[in-house]
Amino acid sequence: ELKVEQNPLFLSMQEGKNYTIYCNYSTTSDRLYWYRQDPGKSLESLFVLLSNGAVKQEGRLMASLDTKARLSTLHITAAVHDLSATYFCAVEPTSGTYKYIFGTGTRLKVLA
Amino acid sequence: EAQVTQNPRYLITVTGKKLTVTCSQNMNHEYMSWYRQDPGLGLRQIYYSMNVEVTDKGDVPEGYKVSRKEKRNFPLILESPSPNQTSLYFCASSLRRRSTDTQYFGPGTRLTVL
Repeated sequence: ELKVEQNPLFLSMQEGKNYTIYCNYSTTSDRLYWYRQDPGKSLESLFVLLSNGAVKQEGRLMASLDTKARLSTLHITAAVHDLSATYFCAVEPTSGTYKYIFGTGTRLKVLA
Repeated sequence: EAQVTQNPRYLITVTGKKLTVTCSQNMNHEYMSWYRQDPGLGLRQIYYSMNVEVTDKGDVPEGYKVSRKEKRNFPLILESPSPNQTSLYFCASSLRRRSTDTQYFGPGTRLTVL
């Protein structure tokens, strides 16, 4: 079964702190996507990771991909309240299916 | 403006009354997809389409139908809705499968089946 697991599912953190969200997947894939969803809104693309070792950074967020470990991380540096949202990773398997598989999401709350 | 549109945005209906949720994109994308989002379950793919007249089941296709007669449109049809189809639905599109681009999501349709 193709599975994508994120942890933690819920994260409450203080402003200014660092933290990492993990995305583990069970299938062979060299493509992984991170999305952000604000309450009541649609999904917004954050990062597209296309190969092993890929690293992308935007502001206080940095995403990386290790295809051998089947692991992606989303690192938050010096969190601010505006980063409060739900973050999803999604995997595009290399073969065998044309589906996208999403993780269950990590709900992040940054406390002032 | 490049976008994915969905209609309606909100819908309350009764069990068994056929409904269609429309989805349209203006980016000439080949790949289109429908997802449902339920608390604690993330997004689950219902159906996807690789191109015109090419559709296939996702992980939760039961109770849904789709068609892709034109490249820009990908309607989701519930022939006989049931309360367990109450959910938030998203349409998405991308240039093609395994492109270097991401999926673009519509604004969502919140469906309640009584």
